[in-house]
Amino acid sequence: QVQLQQSGPGLVKPSQTLSLTCAISGDSISRNDTAWSWFRQSPSRGLEWLGWTYSGSTYYNDYVVSVKSRMTIKPDTSKKQFSLQLNSVTPEDTAIYYCARARGGNFAYWGQGTLVTVSS
Amino acid sequence: EIVLTQSPATLSVSPGERATLSCRASQSVSRNLAWYQHRPGQAPRLVIYDASTRATGIPARFSGSGSGTEFTLTISSLQSEDLAVYYCQQSNAWPWAFGQGTKVEIK
Repeated sequence: QVQLQQSGPGLVKPSQTLSLTCAISGDSISRNDTAWSWFRQSPSRGLEWLGWTYSGSTYYNDYVVSVKSRMTIKPDTSKKQFSLQLNSVTPEDTAIYYCARARGGNFAYWGQGTLVTVSS
Repeated sequence: EIVLTQSPATLSVSPGERATLSCRASQSVSRNLAWYQHRPGQAPRLVIYDASTRATGIPARFSGSGSGTEFTLTISSLQSEDLAVYYCQQSNAWPWAFGQGTKVEIK
């Protein structure tokens, strides 16, 4: 059974870095038919895909244009997890953040969600 | 870039009645379309993939249909636990996209 377990702080100060981790059990982060993704959900934006990392000859990333300059998604194969870092956060980045697995064109497995509030 | 437009924005349905949700794509996505249920306080849940295949554990009252640019998610007999926002998502062309969601309310 695939499970994704998220961890990370729920409160981040403006201009600082938001960091979250998603631990994978029941699957391999190294499969080349799978992308490990981050989403966020807020009342103003709905459900928004942020980016993902996936394995090929190396690890690759894609990001949504709106956060591309501020975001890094990294795999950690030794710990079977992947992480999200979002720099220079503002209150607009307040949202529930989810990790998810993409395979076969859809997202069948999701983390439990982390409410991140950007406030001083 | 493909845009998915869902309608209506909000749907109020009595328990036991049928709920019909629509998703329209700005260009053909073949049958590469999925539906997700997002209940308050929970993670999104895959309901339908490949336009009409129910995901594991999804009750038979959920069905999907359509191809090309017009898709429908039908809940044949609405239950109270079906209260949620439903999103469609296409994977036919990059970038993958989600619709803006339809909120299903219990009347």
